[in-house]
Amino acid sequence: GQSLEQPSEVTAVEGAIVQINCTYQTSGFYGLSWYQQHDGGAPTFLSYNALDGLEETGRFSSFLSRSDSYGYLLLQELQMKDSASYFCASDSGGYQKVTFGTGTKLQVIP
Amino acid sequence: ETGVTQTPRHLVMGMTNKKSLKCEQHLGHNAMYWYKQSAKKPLELMFVYSLEERVENNSVPSRFSPECPNSSHLFLHLHTLQPEDSALYLCASSQESAGGELFFGEGSRLTVL
Repeated sequence: GQSLEQPSEVTAVEGAIVQINCTYQTSGFYGLSWYQQHDGGAPTFLSYNALDGLEETGRFSSFLSRSDSYGYLLLQELQMKDSASYFCASDSGGYQKVTFGTGTKLQVIP
Repeated sequence: ETGVTQTPRHLVMGMTNKKSLKCEQHLGHNAMYWYKQSAKKPLELMFVYSLEERVENNSVPSRFSPECPNSSHLFLHLHTLQPEDSALYLCASSQESAGGELFFGEGSRLTVL
């Protein structure tokens, strides 16, 4: 089985940097994804780490450490529109069996 | 617009009703999924179809019955549901070779009375 743990809520100030952590216990781990979901909307893919290290995509970066079973999503220059829920997810298997974490609700305040 | 369309967006049904949720993807993907999203819980994988064959069934009660007539369409047939089945049902698609990237529809919000 697989389980992924995240903090339930995080609050940060507009313009600041925030890090959302994810620890996982999985079998057959291939990689770690991050998704963003606004209230009432569909989860949308942000990034994917198959190898250890940092992946950067604009204001968002994602990190993976396989040896520590740990990853994080880093959001820089926070904007009000970044207020949303963020999910980490692990995949295993060729048909993309993706298991999601508990989700972190990020609130960006002025 | 994510390329994955779900209908209906909202559904209210009694425990004795039979209804169906529909999902259509316009992305040319070869795998489709049903997830259940309940408040305060992680997204729960229900079913996976790869190349129109069911490859995963996560111990879902038989009152949920999936159907995948072709690679672009996925249905979830519902019958004799329970109030605890009220949730957001999300459809997703992916290309098998793509690393972890799922494309989700906006979901069908189901309320069982």
